[in-house]
Amino acid sequence: GQNIDQPTEMTATEGAIVQINCTYQTSGFNGLFWYQQHAGEAPTFLSYNVLDGLEEKGRFSSFLSRSKGYSYLLLKELQMKDSASYLCAVMDSNYQLIWGAGTKLIIKP
Amino acid sequence: GAVVSQHPSWVICKSGTSVKIECRSLDFQATTMFWYRQFPKQSLMLMATSNEGSKATYEQGVEKDKFLINHASLTLSTLTVTSAHPEDSSFYICSARDGEPYEQYFGPGTRLTVT
Repeated sequence: GQNIDQPTEMTATEGAIVQINCTYQTSGFNGLFWYQQHAGEAPTFLSYNVLDGLEEKGRFSSFLSRSKGYSYLLLKELQMKDSASYLCAVMDSNYQLIWGAGTKLIIKP
Repeated sequence: GAVVSQHPSWVICKSGTSVKIECRSLDFQATTMFWYRQFPKQSLMLMATSNEGSKATYEQGVEKDKFLINHASLTLSTLTVTSAHPEDSSFYICSARDGEPYEQYFGPGTRLTVT
């Protein structure tokens, strides 16, 4: 079966760095996505990785290791507005997104 | 950038009635649209995939006679929840793809409450 695992909840301090991990087992692989979702809103796109390595985009970076079925999202200089759920999703061989359950990130002042 | 709208943004209806939710791609042609449902504190659950001009493909466990999907044009897909019940209360989100498989644009979601 297909499976995406990520922690249910994480807590971090404003100004700090947090890493959200995601492991996956899917039928084929056409890329891994990270989305941010604030409560009551639709997901917004953060990053897309299809090759191994680190992709940096401002305060957010995403890493992928295809051989390990592993990715992480790194958030630097945390701000209160970063409090949200972070969804990991993998596109399988049918170009369909398989979603993780999401990680709720709580930022404390 | 690519924009997807949904209407209504929220709706309250009585049990037994039907509700139609519209999903529109405003500045691109959506060859494929997806309908998701999200219950509180849970992740997105794909309900169905629809391609313009053809019947929708429903995920296992989703009743196609209850959740009617129409993708009549390249910019509009509709989801009709027929004979709604309180357990259908959820956040319904559509997304659209313009042909590139790697990009999926999400609508703002529709919160349905069935009383």
